[in-house]
Amino acid sequence: AQSVTQLGSHVSVSEGALVLLRCNYSSSVPPYLFWYVQYPNQGLQLLLKYTTGATLVKGINGFEAEFKKSETSFHLTKPSAHMSDAAEYFCAVTWGGGGFKTIFGAGTRLFVKA
Amino acid sequence: EADIYQTPRYLVIGTGKKITLECSQTMGHDKMYWYQQDPGMELHLIHYSYGVNSTEKGDLSSESTVSRIRTEHFPLTLESARPSHTSQYLCASSEAGPNEKLFFGSGTQLSVL
Repeated sequence: AQSVTQLGSHVSVSEGALVLLRCNYSSSVPPYLFWYVQYPNQGLQLLLKYTTGATLVKGINGFEAEFKKSETSFHLTKPSAHMSDAAEYFCAVTWGGGGFKTIFGAGTRLFVKA
Repeated sequence: EADIYQTPRYLVIGTGKKITLECSQTMGHDKMYWYQQDPGMELHLIHYSYGVNSTEKGDLSSESTVSRIRTEHFPLTLESARPSHTSQYLCASSEAGPNEKLFFGSGTQLSVL
């Protein structure tokens, strides 16, 4: 069965430090990959997505992610964390041919320390 | 992008009550979805729709039902709420295509006592 795994339910970094949120998926076909962010009391909003082409994808708020097919990974990074980045981050994967087969990971809550 | 709206934002009700969670979008999207979200768990798709008069059950079994009489409206109904239905319910919509992003509402936090 296809699945999405986010390593670490909680990640804590200091302000200005590198942010790395991990996402791995299992898939036998090329996927479409997404990262969503959820701020408190809000719905999810798209950070970035990978469909085809360049494997390094840049998103909003300075985030980027790299699709590594050999590792079946799509880790999210940001060079320098800001207090406003504190939120919950969800990795999601959709498989072509079934637009409704979007599977979400369990989420990673990012804490940013001053 | 507050183009998808959910009401109420919070709902506390007693066991056995019938409830309807509202979801409306103004983007003209054909696809709409309901997800259930519990703390520390992945979002589970419980219902989706390709368009008017189209509804399908998602991967997670749910006792709720949905309807899609108008493109912009996708309400979810629980005929008889139980404490096990306590959860956050998120509505989303998207354009056609598997690589289109989902637009989410702010969610309804349901508590059944």
